[in-house]
Amino acid sequence: DTAVSQTPKYLVTQMGNDKSIKCEQNLGHDTMYWYKQDSKKFLKIMFSYNNKELIINETVPNRFSPKSPDKAHLNLHINSLELGDSAVYFCASSPAKGLLNEQFFGPGTRLTVL
Amino acid sequence: AQSVAQPEDQVNVAEGNPLTVKCTYSVSGNPYLFWYVQYPNRGLQFLLKYITGDNLVKGSYGFEAEFNKSQTSFHLKKPSALVSDSALYFCAVRDMYAGNNRKLIWGLGTSLGVNP
Repeated sequence: DTAVSQTPKYLVTQMGNDKSIKCEQNLGHDTMYWYKQDSKKFLKIMFSYNNKELIINETVPNRFSPKSPDKAHLNLHINSLELGDSAVYFCASSPAKGLLNEQFFGPGTRLTVL
Repeated sequence: AQSVAQPEDQVNVAEGNPLTVKCTYSVSGNPYLFWYVQYPNRGLQFLLKYITGDNLVKGSYGFEAEFNKSQTSFHLKKPSALVSDSALYFCAVRDMYAGNNRKLIWGLGTSLGVNP
């Protein structure tokens, strides 16, 4: 069974479109994260939710909006896509909001904006 | 400012030789340190962490890391490298600022190549 899953795996779209990426974890974890990894492999945290509450909200354009319907799901909606949004987006989860515990990452969603 | 540095973009070793991937950090207080590995086209996987206790930490796949407080380092090591260890390795430290302690500060990654 996949612990942290993301859909879709690949997403190719035109500038200006709106798209969503979904994430689900079946580990029973309380905390979930969205990361962006650019073409140079730099990893940047975007958001984190703990039990459906937003706890980390980094400096990210407000075109990006996370939504957590329950603690097992964290979706990322992106409005008015731009070329610079092209990246791999990773979802992750961890057992608690503190950072004594490791994070479990999904396989990533490769977003290409044309 | 708090930071994590991985001074080498690329490390190459021969299979069977020992490997070291370097990491230094700068945080206030006692650090919580982590190593993750990313295989091509995959998500990151946790390798090991240092929270407190023994300075030598053992992790997955035969990796270990040594916490050195005086040198503010947390280098990743393995006695005998395998070709399958070729991947991107990330060091991370917990952000110690009040209110920020729910996120990690990530290094820029070191690409490890193991030659047969």
